[in-house]
Amino acid sequence: QKEVEQNSGPLSVPEGAIASLNCTYSDRGSQSFFWYRQYSGKSPELIMFIYSNGDKEDGRFTAQLNKASQYVSLLIRDSQPSDSATYLCAVNEGDGQNFVFGPGTRLSVLP
Amino acid sequence: AAGVIQSPRHLIKEKRETATLKCYPIPRHDTVYWYQQGPGQDPQFLISFYEKMQSDKGSIPDRFSAQQFSDYHSELNMSSLELGDSALYFCASSLGKGLPDEQYFGPGTRLTVT
Repeated sequence: QKEVEQNSGPLSVPEGAIASLNCTYSDRGSQSFFWYRQYSGKSPELIMFIYSNGDKEDGRFTAQLNKASQYVSLLIRDSQPSDSATYLCAVNEGDGQNFVFGPGTRLSVLP
Repeated sequence: AAGVIQSPRHLIKEKRETATLKCYPIPRHDTVYWYQQGPGQDPQFLISFYEKMQSDKGSIPDRFSAQQFSDYHSELNMSSLELGDSALYFCASSLGKGLPDEQYFGPGTRLTVT
């Protein structure tokens, strides 16, 4: 049984702060890791993917992966109210098939 | 840039009726995934197709079936609808096997069963 865990939140941070979102997964065979942002009633929007240990930066977003600890995180720098959404961690195995999503973390950025 | 297209966007059906949801992947994408998302839930994987063949199967009920056609679009057929089938149904597409397999989601079809 593959499991992906996230704190459901809500996580509240003030505008301009760094938001840190965490995700753990149970399947050691997992190869690819994705972060999606989902606004209420909308479809998940891909923010970042990472498949090598270490950090990957894209604008205000940094994904961090530690396969030994089975842990992946997303940092959002200079958080904006428009970042308020649910952030879904998704994990899939190397065969590139289905994702297992975590329950999502609700982020609220307070003006 | 072209995105995943889903139709219809909204659908209201009665119990025991049937429904067909359509998905048109991003051009050149050959893999399609179907997800069901209930209120306050994370997306649950239903089924996927790669090059018109079923590639993986998740928590899809036996009442549901799906296929991918020669033009890579996919249809999800749902029969004997139940109240619990009310949810957002997302289709996602990707370029297929290989790392990383980024999936891009369509806008979803909101199905309401009354």
